[in-house]
Amino acid sequence: NAGVTQTPKFRILKIGQSMTLQCTQDMNHNYMYWYRQDPGMGLKLIYYSVGAGITDKGEVPNGYNVSRSTTEDFPLRLELAAPSQTSVYFCASRSHQSSYEQYFGPGTRLTVT
Amino acid sequence: AQTVTQSQPEMSVQEAETVTLSCTYDTSESDYYLFWYKQPPSRQMILVIRQEAYKQQNATENRFSVNFQKAAKSFSLKISDSQLGDAAMYFCAYKGGGADGLTFGKGTHLIIQP
Repeated sequence: NAGVTQTPKFRILKIGQSMTLQCTQDMNHNYMYWYRQDPGMGLKLIYYSVGAGITDKGEVPNGYNVSRSTTEDFPLRLELAAPSQTSVYFCASRSHQSSYEQYFGPGTRLTVT
Repeated sequence: AQTVTQSQPEMSVQEAETVTLSCTYDTSESDYYLFWYKQPPSRQMILVIRQEAYKQQNATENRFSVNFQKAAKSFSLKISDSQLGDAAMYFCAYKGGGADGLTFGKGTHLIIQP
């Protein structure tokens, strides 16, 4: 079991560029999440999905889009990168049978300059 | 919206000693879950311990235990026999009945002095 994997590990974007952060889990989890972690802060929820084809906004969704075409994958899209999106991005997943325990990927450090 | 507050930005403890990290939360719900996550320098988020609000008994995992005070909305983490590998950021997190996902505090940086 690889658990939750994220690519890339690091990325530098120029303002206005677009990119997709990839997230894959091999635990057959229904629920998947995207969080961002700004320096000195806790994680904040961007988007989440309760199953393939179903997504919903979290606390800080502006500037991002998601899709969930399969159980395994939950990509996060940045359309027009802005310096305010410089952050570390974490993907997580959980089973519908768990007590809300989430398993996290290793994170992607994104810098927008 | 629920909020989670960790009032100690940084704590320091001698190796083999005991340390307690504080967490308070604000909610009007009666049914919820609380978590402590550890984030070492590798950045990986690791679940340390979980507490269900309906359970009166405090959760324990080896050297880690919690003091859950529901009426006071307090959820502190006690680490006994501190080890060098315990050095990390520790985040308190809440899961209630609203939007799925966890609400995190800002974290406490734990330093272990050898």
